[in-house]
Parts: sequence; structure tokens; C-alpha cells
Amino acid sequence: KQEVTQIPAALSVPEGENLVLNCSFTDSAIYNLQWFRQDPGKGLTSLLLIQSSQREQTSGRLNASLDKSSGRSTLYIAASQPGDSATYLCAALKTSYDKVIFGPGTSLSVIP
Amino acid sequence: EPEVTQTPSHQVTQMGQEVILRCVPISNHLYFYWYRQILGQKVEFLVSFYNNEISEKSEIFDDQFSVERPDGSNFTLKIRSTKLEDSAMYFCARGGLAGGGQFFGPGTRLTVL
Repeated sequence: KQEVTQIPAALSVPEGENLVLNCSFTDSAIYNLQWFRQDPGKGLTSLLLIQSSQREQTSGRLNASLDKSSGRSTLYIAASQPGDSATYLCAALKTSYDKVIFGPGTSLSVIP
Repeated sequence: EPEVTQTPSHQVTQMGQEVILRCVPISNHLYFYWYRQILGQKVEFLVSFYNNEISEKSEIFDDQFSVERPDGSNFTLKIRSTKLEDSAMYFCARGGLAGGGQFFGPGTRLTVL
């Protein structure tokens, strides 16, 4: 049974700092891994999706990496801004049509 | 990005009442999912629906829950007799896309009093 964990649970950084969020999954037989952003009381916005055959994906100041063999993914945020404050969730997918298994999220606060 | 809309955005109901949450995908797709997120907790899978049939359901999805696609477009989640612990954010998602990944609707916040 797939389990997804994330560390740290919460992170507070000053504006401009680069930061790394960590995600671990127990079953390396994944189809892809997806990173989401969730603002308080809001929905889930897909940020990046990494196929199992890929090592990383980039979108603007965000870079996500995937190491299937070790069961880990990281989300790197460069030059953080107050608008980045949100909860970041990682989620693993076993097949293209399977359910998504979510981690508990990392709550990020970027201080101006 | 494929869009999914959900109605209502917020529903308040009395314990024991039936509620129907609706999901409307923009394009005609086959794979749909419902998830829920109790305040402060993880997003949890409820049920997946493929080609008008349930393909998988979690332990949470008991006899009080049902899903259907009554008109071939809207995708509904019904809770027959709501309990206080059903209060949560309910998300609909579409998937089965080439390259994988799922796209989520904005959610319905259900409050059971």
C-alpha cells in the first residue's frame, strides 16, 4: 500500500530565500508524481507533474525532481515570494487512471 | 488545463439530511474521482468512476455514499444521511489522461450541523 510523507510539516522563510520541500513514497512503482498547491480553504492547483521516466520538471521558479529508486521527490522554489505562501502537496499515481495518493503537505510561509 | 467545475461551492445541511454534490467536466472524459479533505487532514480518496461504473472505492465510501452520472455529463456524489463527521471539502477530479495526472475542481465545502 502506497504511503506518501512530506517533510517538513511547516516552514517559515524570509522573502528571497531558496527552499526545498521533500516528499517520500514507499512504493517506487509509480506512474508519475504530481505537486499541488493549496491555498487556505481553497482547491488543489497542479504545479508540476513528473513522469516516472523523467528526473525533473521545471516551471518558472519551481523545479521538481524525482528519484524513483530511493522513493523521493523534491520541490525547489527559487527566490521565494510572499505570494508563495500556501500548502504544498505531493501525490503519487500508480497508473494513468489510478487514484492519487496524497502526502500530508508542507505549509509554507514566506515572510516579507 | 482541462477544467472541472463543482457546485455548490458551499453547502450547509442538517445532520441526517441527504446532499448531492455535483461535478461538471468541461470535456467528455471517462475517468472521474471523488476525494475529500477534512479540515487540517490529508486529502483522501473516496471513489473512482470509469465508463459509468465504480472502478474502485475506499473504506470511507460506505453505503451512505453513491455516485452516478445521470445525464452523461454531470457527475454526482450523494450522501444519503449526513453525519457531523462528513463535514469536509469534497473534490472532484478527472484523470486517465495521456501522461497521467489528475485535474481537480475547486471543491465543495460541506458543513453538517
